[in-house]
Amino acid sequence: GENVEQHPSTLSVQEGDSAVIKCTYSDSASNYFPWYKQELGKRPQLIIDIRSNVGEKKDQRIAVTLNKTAKHFSLHITETQPEDSAVYFCADNNAGNMLTFGGGTRLMVKP
Amino acid sequence: GAGVSQSPRYKVTKRGQDVALRCDPISGHVSLYWYRQALGQGPEFLTYFNYEAQQDKSGLPNDRFSAERPEGSISTLTIQRTEQRDSAMYRCASSLRGQVRDGYTFGSGTRLTVV
Repeated sequence: GENVEQHPSTLSVQEGDSAVIKCTYSDSASNYFPWYKQELGKRPQLIIDIRSNVGEKKDQRIAVTLNKTAKHFSLHITETQPEDSAVYFCADNNAGNMLTFGGGTRLMVKP
Repeated sequence: GAGVSQSPRYKVTKRGQDVALRCDPISGHVSLYWYRQALGQGPEFLTYFNYEAQQDKSGLPNDRFSAERPEGSISTLTIQRTEQRDSAMYRCASSLRGQVRDGYTFGSGTRLTVV
């Protein structure tokens, strides 16, 4: 089955610095790559996604890049703020209509 | 409803008992998904429906797990003869048009503890 690897598992940055989380996937048929943010005790929420016909997408301080040849995609958060602290999950849709999630990255932004 | 509702929020059950977890998706959403999330890990796919039809149940761990969505709206995930390893957060999600690219809206989940 599909496998999505995510790293690092934890990431600590100083407020104002950038954070980068990387994911690799195995199924070359995957064509949709969302990122979810899960705050402590809350539900995962979609923050940004990218489709396979695009190499990069940006939304304010958040950007996602996709390299289909290498089968990896990354989340970039610039000018981090304490409220960015959460667990972030990458996912892909492989060949079906469901998502396979990575193991998560706990991001801690220190004020 | 305004969001995806799940009940109960917490369920503690004794090993060997059956449990039924309920999900009420956003009104009009075609697809409904069930995931299981262990502490500190990503959601793990269990099964999904388009309308009332179960499209994929490949993620159900064994035949003690079953799900239904008889009228294409509310869904129930049933676990028979529960075991301690079934303890986890069970999350439901729905999407509008039956395509994962529409994005999932997750519910708050049911935390199941088997003692």
